[in-house]
Amino acid sequence: AQSVTQPDIHITVSEGASLELRCNYSYGATPYLFWYVQSPGQGLQLLLKYFSGDTLVQGIKGFEAEFKRSQSSFNLRKPSVHWSDAAEYFCAVVDLTSGTYKYIFGTGTRLKVLA
Amino acid sequence: EADIYQTPRYLVIGTGKKITLECSQTMGHDKMYWYQQDPGMELHLIHYSYGVNSTEKGDLSSESTVSRIRTEHFPLTLESARPSHTSQYLCASTLGLPYQETQYFGPGTRLLVL
Repeated sequence: AQSVTQPDIHITVSEGASLELRCNYSYGATPYLFWYVQSPGQGLQLLLKYFSGDTLVQGIKGFEAEFKRSQSSFNLRKPSVHWSDAAEYFCAVVDLTSGTYKYIFGTGTRLKVLA
Repeated sequence: EADIYQTPRYLVIGTGKKITLECSQTMGHDKMYWYQQDPGMELHLIHYSYGVNSTEKGDLSSESTVSRIRTEHFPLTLESARPSHTSQYLCASTLGLPYQETQYFGPGTRLLVL
């Protein structure tokens, strides 16, 4: 069965430091991959997505992610974190094999930013 | 900015009451979804729909029901609310075409059942 793993439940970084959030997936074919961000009490906002082509994907708010098929990873990065980036981040893959197109979400990584 | 709306945003209600959570989208999307999310936890799919008159149960068993009479509207109903239903409910939609499977989320409804 398809799955998404976000190994870090919590991450704390200082403002201005670089950030990398890890995401590993289990999927047989070429996956559709997403990163979403959720602020407290809010819905999910799409940061970026990968369907095909260039494996380095640029998103909103200065985020980028790199698809590495050999490592089954889709890690999210930002060179310099801002205090407003504190939120919950979810990685997701679309299940295309069953024809349902359901999303499979990771358990999320909560980012805390120190001033 | 996604045009998907949820009302109410917050709801506090007593046990045994019937409630309906509204979700509407103006993007003409065929596929719509309901997720349940406890604070700080992952999302669990409870219902989805591929179009008008289509509804399916998701991966997480739920006592709620849904309907899809119009493309833009996907309400979720609890016939008799219980404290165990306390959670955040997120609605999402997608166009459902290849390479356009991006799900757009509403702001969520935070439900507290006393």
